[in-house]
This record gives sequence, structure tokens and C-alpha cells, in this order.
Amino acid sequence: GAGVSQSPRYKVAKRGQDVALRCDPISGHVSLFWYQQALGQGPEFLTYFQNEAQLDKSGLPSDRFFAERPEGSVSTLKIQRTQQEDSAVYLCASSSGTGGTNEKLFFGSGTQLSVL
Amino acid sequence: GDSVTQMEGPVTLSEEAFLTINCTYTATGYPSLFWYVQYPGEGLQLLLKATKADDKGSNKGFEATYRKETTSFHLEKGSVQVSDSAVYFCALSYHTGRRALTFGSGTRLQVQP
Repeated sequence: GAGVSQSPRYKVAKRGQDVALRCDPISGHVSLFWYQQALGQGPEFLTYFQNEAQLDKSGLPSDRFFAERPEGSVSTLKIQRTQQEDSAVYLCASSSGTGGTNEKLFFGSGTQLSVL
Repeated sequence: GDSVTQMEGPVTLSEEAFLTINCTYTATGYPSLFWYVQYPGEGLQLLLKATKADDKGSNKGFEATYRKETTSFHLEKGSVQVSDSAVYFCALSYHTGRRALTFGSGTRLQVQP
């Protein structure tokens, strides 16, 4: 596709529900990142994939958060038993190489999650 | 750990005014430094970057110089336009090892005609 696509654009969940957020990176991109952006804050790193391998999950805030990229393309971020503090915009980004600083990183428009 | 601190906004300027948005960082190594911009309703976009000390990044009239001695990467533009209204994020990352970006909290710029 032309860019990084995320769906849904908006998600409202009741506290305790499970949610799944989807990211379609640019075709052929090797690296994929997930970030969480709370209102009025900068994005915070959640996890990083290189193809299907999850190389860094140090930013996942709890074991309720789980991410996968089984075929090295589409990625899903799953949040179990959502809490109000999970309300944020979840951003996905991809790049063509292995994530070095010389590569251009392309961000999606994000999924805005509201937990009531 | 690493961190990035930006001046709080919003910054409100008249068209053609001079812009400075301050950014300082704390890093355990020798990072690359970035400015990203988020226009209303759009995703984050890279504005400019600098990969080593004394490098100057520039794009669309914006400039920032990597100052290792003051651990700073201030964003400047000589004459802002209404279309520059957006949220600006300073960030750092490393070329090897941990690849994640560490962002500041963002500074909203409002340019009035």
C-alpha cells in the first residue's frame, strides 16, 4: 500500500474487554514498531519486530499486552482485560531495513483506544 | 536511562516570526537526534535529523544543530507560516543496539496570520 495502515481508527472498549489493533506496514518493510501515545505526551516504545521475530518487547507495560507478526507483514497488538489507563493512541511504524537511524521510518495515523 | 525534554507549549507566533523550540537530552551513549512533526489529523513525519555532534539537520526552512557540549538539539526557523502549525517532537535513537525512538512530550506550535 501507499503507507502504513492501522485499523480500527477508533476503538471504544468497556473495562475488562479484550481488544486487537491491526497494523499493515508498507509492503516489504522488514522492521515494525509499536508505540503508545497518551494524551498530551510523546509516543512511548512498546515493541519491535524484525520480520516475524519480536526482538524487543521491553516497552510492553504488563503481561496484558501482547504483539505478534506471524508472517512478517501484518502485526496485531492485543490488550487483554483493558483498563482505563490503557486509553491512548497506539501508533505503528515501519521501515525497509533493520531499523537503523539512517532509515526512514513511516508512521501510521494510529488507533485511538478509549476504555470506559 | 535516556530521556528527552522539550519546552512546553503551546507556542503562539505571528506569521513570519522567528521560531525556536528548545530540546535537551540525556543519553547513555552517542545517539542520533531527530525532530518529528505531527500535522492535525496526520501521522508523525520525520522533519530533520542529525547523526553526530556538530551536524546540522535541515528541511523546509527548519534547522537544528546537534550540540554535544550542551546536550541540545534546538529547532529553529527564520520565518514561520500558518501551515507550520503542528505538534513538534524531539527524539533520539541509536544506530545499533536498541532501535526504539525516545520522544519528548511534544510542543504545539500555533501560527496566526
